[in-house]
Amino acid sequence: EPEVTQTPSHQVTQMGQEVILRCVPISNHLYFYWYRQILGQKVEFLVSFYNNEISEKSEIFDDQFSVERPDGSNFTLKIRSTKLEDSAMYFCASRRGSYNSPLHFGNGTRLTVT
Amino acid sequence: AQTVTQSQPEMSVQEAETVTLSCTYDTSESDYYLFWYKQPPSRQMILVIRQEAYKQQNATENRFSVNFQKAAKSFSLKISDSQLGDAAMYFCAYRSATWETSGSRLTFGEGTQLTVNP
Repeated sequence: EPEVTQTPSHQVTQMGQEVILRCVPISNHLYFYWYRQILGQKVEFLVSFYNNEISEKSEIFDDQFSVERPDGSNFTLKIRSTKLEDSAMYFCASRRGSYNSPLHFGNGTRLTVT
Repeated sequence: AQTVTQSQPEMSVQEAETVTLSCTYDTSESDYYLFWYKQPPSRQMILVIRQEAYKQQNATENRFSVNFQKAAKSFSLKISDSQLGDAAMYFCAYRSATWETSGSRLTFGEGTQLTVNP
């Protein structure tokens, strides 16, 4: 069964640095998402992406964040000038075009900001 | 805005027994989707079961079933014949069926940590 893949599984970075989290969604999926889960807290929506543009973003997704689909397969989340509170698990997800299709999540990238 | 509440931070069950995890939600919408996701220690989010609000019949997937009470805005998950591999964090999630008002984001509850005792 096809999967959403995320790399790296764990990223450690220093405060103030920029990080790029990478995702390869399932190939025939059209909608792409990033979610965040701070340790011990609920999973939070960050952004959705469709037809090469952001379709929706949360209040968390400010100018520090950006997303890109640079080619036909990768979907990236860039976090500029990282802060300690950006430490979290970041999940990529994708789904097919029909609105009732479920989200398929990747295994997540654990970001640690020191 | 929609909210999802899971009032049981932790639950435990004996292997082979049945356990029910609770979830309530608040929405003014009439059409939406509800989901249960499982998150084992590996932290992957795995879809367990989903329910479309317009369907009155409760969804079932093997040992997993839901009790969907639309009027009460309740969506509980029943796990029958619990297995050690069922031990995980379980998240209830809501998604609107109306793109124009709520987009397609999932709203998650706080999660319930399920322990399965041998």
